[in-house]
Amino acid sequence: EDQVTQSPEALRLQEGESSSLNCSYTVSGLRGLFWYRQDPGKGPEFLFTLYSAGEEKEKERLKATLTKKESFLHITAPKPEDSATYLCAVQAGDSWGKLQFGAGTQVVVTP
Amino acid sequence: KAGVTQTPRYLIKTRGQQVTLSCSPISGHRSVSWYQQTPGQGLQFLFEYFSETQRNKGNFPGRFSGRQFSNSRSEMNVSTLELGDSALYLCASREGRSYEQYFGPGTRLTVT
Repeated sequence: EDQVTQSPEALRLQEGESSSLNCSYTVSGLRGLFWYRQDPGKGPEFLFTLYSAGEEKEKERLKATLTKKESFLHITAPKPEDSATYLCAVQAGDSWGKLQFGAGTQVVVTP
Repeated sequence: KAGVTQTPRYLIKTRGQQVTLSCSPISGHRSVSWYQQTPGQGLQFLFEYFSETQRNKGNFPGRFSGRQFSNSRSEMNVSTLELGDSALYLCASREGRSYEQYFGPGTRLTVT
């Protein structure tokens, strides 16, 4: 059965203190791995898509990487506005339109 | 382009009633997926529609149903509401050739 596990569950950072979030997955026929950011009471906001091992994507202070079994979301020199829940999801095999999500990592960045 | 829109944003219903939620995808997107988000179970896939056809369905009871119209707008219906149906219901749209899904703001359903 496909599984997506995120760690840690929660992360508290000082402004400027870089860190990484982990997303490990077991899935048959990975079509894509996705990172989203979700603020309280809002829908997930798309950040990145990664398709194959070795791929990297960057956006401002965020960088996502992918291996055959896990993905990392690196947050460099975070600011308070980076506080959010970060969700990882996979699209597998022939599961059209179905993203399987991890439980998320709640990040709080304090000034 | 305008993003995914969902109506209503908030809804309070009584156990046993039924509810219909609406989703308008991004212009040009023909696929709409629905998800349920709860604190205990996280984000769970309900179903996906493409060109008015349901192509995939998650593990939810038959009380949960949906449809898609020719303009790609979609509705989901929950009949005989239970307390456990209280959740944030999210829809997401994508272009037919892409796997990337873009989410709407959600409908917060409270069942009392």
